Amino acid sequence: DAGVTQSPTHLIKTRGQQVTLRCSPKSGHDTVSWYQQALGQGPQFIFQYYEEEERQRGNFPDRFSGHQFPNYSSELNVNALLLGDSALYLCASRPSGTGPLGYTFGSGTRLTVV
Amino acid sequence: AQRVTQPEKLLSVFKGAPVELKCNYSYSGSPELFWYVQYSRQRLQLLLRHISRESIKGFTADLNKGETSFHLKKPFAQEEDSAMYYCALRGSARQLTFGSGTQLTVLP
Repeated sequence: DAGVTQSPTHLIKTRGQQVTLRCSPKSGHDTVSWYQQALGQGPQFIFQYYEEEERQRGNFPDRFSGHQFPNYSSELNVNALLLGDSALYLCASRPSGTGPLGYTFGSGTRLTVV
Repeated sequence: AQRVTQPEKLLSVFKGAPVELKCNYSYSGSPELFWYVQYSRQRLQLLLRHISRESIKGFTADLNKGETSFHLKKPFAQEEDSAMYYCALRGSARQLTFGSGTQLTVLP
């Protein structure tokens, strides 16, 4: 089992552009969450997807949107990129309907906005 | 609102010395508390969760609801314990709120 897979690992974008990040959850996991980790900070919750719907959202603007596909994979889209969007974006997956379990995290996508 | 505070950004101890990484939280209900660890060039991974009351790699953490703390402890630190440690809380909204992390360095 490859665990949680994220792509790409790194990318550089220009201010104002749009970006799409991808995540394949761990086998058997159907709930996917996205986190933004700025340099020197802990991960900050963006949103969570389950059954192809956004179920919860953190304090992020509408420029951040997502999608979940029938195979449980997910995308994070960010429009009108700002310099402050530069961060490590983490995807985490877990099985739904489970008890209090921790998430399995991917290695992240390092986004640099110039 | 839920918040997790890790007051120490950096912590250095000598090998064999006890180590305690502090975590305080703010949450009005009954939280689930976790410790995550990130070793150099590796992904974030779960170290332990309070509900299971387990000891992983010699680390333990006790939830103190009176002091709203969930400090991580190990009696004898090892060099391989050097890593970034994050305390996290999951409330009724079932999303994780992380602290800003403590970089632990165990000196030889």
